[in-house]
Amino acid sequence: NAGVTQTPKFQVLKTGQSMTLQCAQDMNHEYMSWYRQDPGMGLRLIHYSVGAGITDQGEVPNGYNVSRSTTEDFPLRLLSAAPSQTSVYFCASMRGTEAFFGQGTRLTVV
Amino acid sequence: DQQVKQNSPSLSVQEGRISILNCDYTNSMFDYFLWYKKYPAEGPTFLISISSIKDKNEDGRFTVFLNKSAKHLSLHIVPSQPGDSAVYFCAASSGYSTLTFGKGTMLLVSP
Repeated sequence: NAGVTQTPKFQVLKTGQSMTLQCAQDMNHEYMSWYRQDPGMGLRLIHYSVGAGITDQGEVPNGYNVSRSTTEDFPLRLLSAAPSQTSVYFCASMRGTEAFFGQGTRLTVV
Repeated sequence: DQQVKQNSPSLSVQEGRISILNCDYTNSMFDYFLWYKKYPAEGPTFLISISSIKDKNEDGRFTVFLNKSAKHLSLHIVPSQPGDSAVYFCAASSGYSTLTFGKGTMLLVSP
């Protein structure tokens, strides 16, 4: 019973590097989203998807790209990492109004 | 502009006592409210929710109260246990849409 799986758990990037944070869910949920958590800022929505082929921006989308080619997967891409993107990233899938979160990816950009 | 506000960054309570965590919202379109609990190095986990058509929902030691006229909800934990020590996030949604989270309240329950 995996639920929402995020990889990697930890990552250190140099400024300007690119990378993809992976997210997969096995609950057949249509709705998936990415949040970032920063100290004193709570959880802020980056991008979300209401189904395969459909994505939209959240509160803090700049610097991030997403795509949704399958129901199961919702990767988050950083094209040119910046120190301001140092954060903990959480992927979530939703059943109705209840969100199920992954364990998070701690990203440090130096 | 924050639509969901948790004005207390932290709360300390003794074991066995009641913990009350508060949350205010500004968006009148919100019709569903949730509380999430988060331990360090883990993802948030769903705790309890309430629809805007109700004013109270209870699940074991956890009760959520909603006051729509005041745009205020609270989470009561009775009795509090050391294992309840975590960060608690209040979240709100309108229809089947995105969740808007507050900044969180860190609860510390001491033995």
